[in-house]
Amino acid sequence: NAGVTQTPKFQVLKTGQSMTLQCAQDMNHNSMYWYRQDPGMGLRLIYYSASEGTTDKGEVPNGYNVSRLNKREFSLRLESAAPSQTSVYFCASSAQTGGAETQYFGPGTRLLVL
Amino acid sequence: GEDVEQSLFLSVREGDSSVINCTYTDSSSTYLYWYKQEPGAGLQLLTYIFSNMDMKQDQRLTVLLNKKDKHLSLRIADTQTGDSAIYFCAERRSGAGSYQLTFGKGTKLSVIP
Repeated sequence: NAGVTQTPKFQVLKTGQSMTLQCAQDMNHNSMYWYRQDPGMGLRLIYYSASEGTTDKGEVPNGYNVSRLNKREFSLRLESAAPSQTSVYFCASSAQTGGAETQYFGPGTRLLVL
Repeated sequence: GEDVEQSLFLSVREGDSSVINCTYTDSSSTYLYWYKQEPGAGLQLLTYIFSNMDMKQDQRLTVLLNKKDKHLSLRIADTQTGDSAIYFCAERRSGAGSYQLTFGKGTKLSVIP
């Protein structure tokens, strides 16, 4: 099992450019999540998908869109990148483990917007 | 307040015990979690505790939960240099959709050889 994979690992964009961050999981999990991590801010939830075909906003959704393409894949799109979106982006998926809903994280995508 | 609070830094000597503290926000949170993040990597689940427990032990890790004070702690016994990382506390709040977790800002643990 690869677990949660993310592509690309690194990306540099110019202000106004668009891009899609890809995430896939091979653990047959129903729920998937996108977070951003900024220094001194911890992790903040951007969007999540409780199951295939559904998506919901998290704490900081502005400037982003998501697609739950199928059970395995959950992508995050920046339509017009801004310097404030410079961050490390983590995808996660979750499953029940002994009653607790446990989230498993990908290695992250480091995005720099100039 | 609305935030999960953690101190930002902790420094300990190799072989000593480390205690990382967290204050969470929702007294009816069902599960509380500790995650570890090594440099350049994603978050890795260390352990979790159900809200009806006071303590959970797993090898060198001991989690203590004080529901009255909404206080969670992680004790690492015999701390090693490989334990140097950022540790995140997280709570699953009641009523949160799709098992959303709310994370603290993380405590950076530095282990001095």
